[in-house]
Amino acid sequence: AQKVTQAQTEISVVEKEDVTLDCVYETRDTTYYLFWYKQPPSGELVFLIRRNSFDEQNEISGRYSWNFQKSTSSFNFTITASQVVDSAVYFCALSEIDGGSQGNLIFGKGTKLSVKP
Amino acid sequence: DGGITQSPKYLFRKEGQNVTLSCEQNLNHDAMYWYRQDPGQGLRLIYYSQIVNDFQKGDIAEGYSVSREKKESFPLTVTSAQKNPTAFYLCASSILNSNSPLHFGNGTRLTVT
Repeated sequence: AQKVTQAQTEISVVEKEDVTLDCVYETRDTTYYLFWYKQPPSGELVFLIRRNSFDEQNEISGRYSWNFQKSTSSFNFTITASQVVDSAVYFCALSEIDGGSQGNLIFGKGTKLSVKP
Repeated sequence: DGGITQSPKYLFRKEGQNVTLSCEQNLNHDAMYWYRQDPGQGLRLIYYSQIVNDFQKGDIAEGYSVSREKKESFPLTVTSAQKNPTAFYLCASSILNSNSPLHFGNGTRLTVT
């Protein structure tokens, strides 16, 4: 069965600190996609990144970086030099490429990040 | 600006009443979805639709109903059969391509007393 675990329920950091949000997934499929979404206090989820299971290259986008390791079934998200605007709930999600219902992402329970000035 | 509009943002109902949540998108997306979010929980799929006049049950469809009469609109009705309807409801849409990112609305917070 597919499963996404975000073990960190809440994280609090001081501005300018680096922070890593953990995501561990379970799937029997060899082909799948992983996602990260950000949910600010306004409520909508904002897409951050999608990574397919064949691409293990790490990715950097500004202060954001993602570390995908198939060997440990992890897709961790690091924010460098955090800012107050990074405060949000962050969700990791998993979906199969060919199977299942489209949009049936399996979401983790989210990690609430609070960045204090 | 293209996007997804959910209305209202807050909704209050008495137990036993049906209530309909609105979701409209102008992104020309074929696929639309409804998710439910409970405190400290991830999102769970209620219903989704890939084409007008067709929709499929998600993981927690019991007590909910939907319609897809227009491409732009995908309203969700929370019926009195839903035992625990108080939650945050999120509508999303995407292009009809497996695993394309979802675009979400701002959500509707439903409180049933």
